[in-house]
Amino acid sequence: KNEVEQSPQNLTAQEGEFITINCSYSVGISALHWLQQHPGGGIVSLFMLSSGKKKHGRLIATINIQEKHSSLHITASHPRDSAVYICAVPHSGGGADGLTFGKGTHLIIQP
Amino acid sequence: DTGVSQDPRHKITKRGQNVTFRCDPISEHNRLYWYRQTLGQGPEFLTYFQNEAQLEKSRLLSDRFSAERPKGSFSTLEIQRTEQGDSAMYLCASSPTLGREETQYFGPGTRLLVL
Repeated sequence: KNEVEQSPQNLTAQEGEFITINCSYSVGISALHWLQQHPGGGIVSLFMLSSGKKKHGRLIATINIQEKHSSLHITASHPRDSAVYICAVPHSGGGADGLTFGKGTHLIIQP
Repeated sequence: DTGVSQDPRHKITKRGQNVTFRCDPISEHNRLYWYRQTLGQGPEFLTYFQNEAQLEKSRLLSDRFSAERPKGSFSTLEIQRTEQGDSAMYLCASSPTLGREETQYFGPGTRLLVL
């Protein structure tokens, strides 16, 4: 079963700062997911990636399959980016598995 | 927009009662997943369906829990003889079967409080 570790658990930054959230996992995977959860529970998928880098607006996700590590970056952070960011991987590595989630990084961007 | 919907959004029950939650996935999504999330933790996988077939169940899903997807569309999750430890957010997600792995689309969740 895959294990997922995220860091940091909590992050407070000033508006405009460059943000990095890290994720490592234990078992080789077909793809890794980054998700965003706002207060109240709603979860939105940000990225699913299996190699290299993906960019969507101010969000960038990278993955290193050999090192079993991924990072989520936010450029020019804004208070509306405040949320919990969660990394997730297929719990046995790939296919249509359910996901194993990290505990999340609680991000607060102060104006 | 017909995203994933869940009903009810909130449920308060007394210990020992049975509860049932419903999930309606995005139309034509073959895969449907149930997760549970307790306060301050990431979601935990409970079970998933490919069409009407329940393909995997987590050991978290004790014999008090049962899930069905009778016609391969909506799904229900029933908890019998609820315990206070069952208090959590129950999340449903669905995905299409276009490739080996696809994005999962999450519903708003059902928040359960067992008194």
